[in-house]
Formats: sequence, C-alpha cells, structure tokens
Amino acid sequence: AQTVTQSQPEMSVQEAETVTLSCTYDTSESDYYLFWYKQPPSRQMILVIRQEAYKQQNATENRFSVNFQKAAKSFSLKISDSQLGDAAMYFCAYRSALEDSNYQLIWGAGTKLIIKP
Amino acid sequence: NAGVTQTPKFQVLKTGQSMTLQCAQDMNHNSMYWYRQDPGMGLRLIYYSASEGTTDKGEVPNGYNVSRLNKREFSLRLESAAPSQTSVYFCASSERGSPNEKLFFGSGTQLSVL
Repeated sequence: AQTVTQSQPEMSVQEAETVTLSCTYDTSESDYYLFWYKQPPSRQMILVIRQEAYKQQNATENRFSVNFQKAAKSFSLKISDSQLGDAAMYFCAYRSALEDSNYQLIWGAGTKLIIKP
Repeated sequence: NAGVTQTPKFQVLKTGQSMTLQCAQDMNHNSMYWYRQDPGMGLRLIYYSASEGTTDKGEVPNGYNVSRLNKREFSLRLESAAPSQTSVYFCASSERGSPNEKLFFGSGTQLSVL
C-alpha cells in the first residue's frame, strides 16, 4: 500500500524568505500523480501545485515550485518570497494513475507553516 | 461563486443519535467525495461517487452511509453516532474523477460526538 510521509509537523519562515516543505512517499507503481494542498484557517483545502510522475520537469506555479526526485520518492514544496497569506497547513498527497485505484488520494499528516512578519 | 457548500458547519451529537451532512456543488462535476480529517492525520476517504447514481466505499466507510441524490448533491449519514466519529468532515468534487484532477473542497463540518 502507498504511504505519504511529511516529517515536519511545523515550519516557520520570515516573511519574504524561502521555505521548503518535505514530503516522501512509498509506492511500487511507476505512474502516479503528486499534489500539494493548502489548508488555511478557513479550513477549505486549496490545490497549490501538482506533478505527474512521468514528467521529469518540476512543476511551478508562480512562487511555488516542487523538487520531484522520483528515484528517491521525494516531493518537496518550495515557497519563494513567503507572504503572510501563505500561513496554513500544507498537505502532500499521492494518487495512483491506475483505473482501479478507487479514486484514492493518499494524504500526508500535514505541515503547519508559520510566517513571521 | 459558491463552489462546494456543506451544511452544517458545526454539530454536536450524543452517542447513538443520527444526522445527515449535506453537500452540494454548482460546478456540474461528475465525481463527489466525503473525507474525514483527524488531528495528526491526513484526510481519509469515507465514500465517493464517480457519477450520478453510483457510490462506492473508500478507506473508512464503517458507520456511514451516503446518497447521491442528483448530480449536485451528495449526503453523508451517520445512523448511530459514536465518539470515534468525532472529526472534521469534508465534501469534495471533481469534474470527471481522473487521477490528475484538482479536487474542490467545501469548508468542512466540525462534528463532536459526546
């Protein structure tokens, strides 16, 4: 069974600086998708960025980028120029590309990101 | 834009009581999901509905039932609430249910079972 591990329960960063959140996963599959979701105090989960395993190029979305290391099964999120609005819980998630995966997203336990003004 | 709307936002139940959590989406999505979120854990899938008229069990379905009332609405029912069901419940939807799709979430229901 697939697992997703976020080893940092909490991270803090100074406003305008860069922070990296770690995520590792375990799978025997070769084709899958990885996601980072943000959960602000409003509780509503919002997609930050996604990566397809068959693509070698790291995904980027404005100030957010990932470092996808398929062999190491690592999928870290880098936030550049941190802003106060980035303060939230961040969840890493895995989804199999197999049709019989039962729509199962496997979630990490989350990392709480604190932005210091 | 409403997106995914869940009601109620908060609920307190006594052990053995029943209740239904309501979810509606206005994005014409085919797939809908119910998750629970417990402290220190990631979200866990309770049930999902790939399309109108179909429902399937997820990772933790015991103690729950669902109804896909129509394309817009997907409800979650607790027939006899237990303290272990104290959690935050999220409804989500996606356009087709494809593995790479973005999920759209509601703002959750905080449920406490005493």
